[in-house]
Amino acid sequence: DAGITQSPRHKVTETGTPVTLRCHQTENHRYMYWYRQDPGHGLRLIHYSYGVKDTDKGEVSDGYSVSRSKTEDFLLTLESATSSQTSVYFCAIRTEYNSPLHFGNGTRLTVT
Amino acid sequence: AQSVSQHNHHVILSEAASLELGCNYSYGGTVNLFWYVQYPGQHLQLLLKYFSGDPLVKGIKGFEAEFIKSKFSFNLRKPSVQWSDTAEYFCAVSSNQAGTALIFGKGTTLSVSS
Repeated sequence: DAGITQSPRHKVTETGTPVTLRCHQTENHRYMYWYRQDPGHGLRLIHYSYGVKDTDKGEVSDGYSVSRSKTEDFLLTLESATSSQTSVYFCAIRTEYNSPLHFGNGTRLTVT
Repeated sequence: AQSVSQHNHHVILSEAASLELGCNYSYGGTVNLFWYVQYPGQHLQLLLKYFSGDPLVKGIKGFEAEFIKSKFSFNLRKPSVQWSDTAEYFCAVSSNQAGTALIFGKGTTLSVSS
């Protein structure tokens, strides 16, 4: 267990509202990632982070922003949620610079 | 840009049948390769990984994969599947540079009937 906690686990929100998902890790690992999982698309990278205040975009970053003010927390924000952002969101960490990803349990987000 | 292609969207097997799931990647440099499994309602778990060395990699639960550099392939195999192997399987690739993200294929759903 890599000590990753995602919150909330489930959320239903309305179109146009802001939403923030939180990923918390307990072991101060440097590299953190946000993916979304959709049927037929696998997992797609949204944003990732190399360290505090050091983030970069992935392949599906439009409509999302991230922040990492502390090593242990990586926040994903949907500024104005849309129905196309209904998905399961997974946070992942790398325990060493080249190790496999370890995933959190996911957040199921529904935008109505 | 890196990409991963999984050839089979849905595979249906009977218990004790042999399994091979195809994975091809596109990347010109040195790569790290992974197979993950996702059981219904759960998060992804690592089955096996390849970084370097012996191209035949053994993972958990009797799975293995073979890296064929000339074919840009990393196929997953299991000699005899069980009903409990029913899950979705994802192939992933990353460069070997520090901290780079994994790029995933679209996944293969395996259904095993008892």
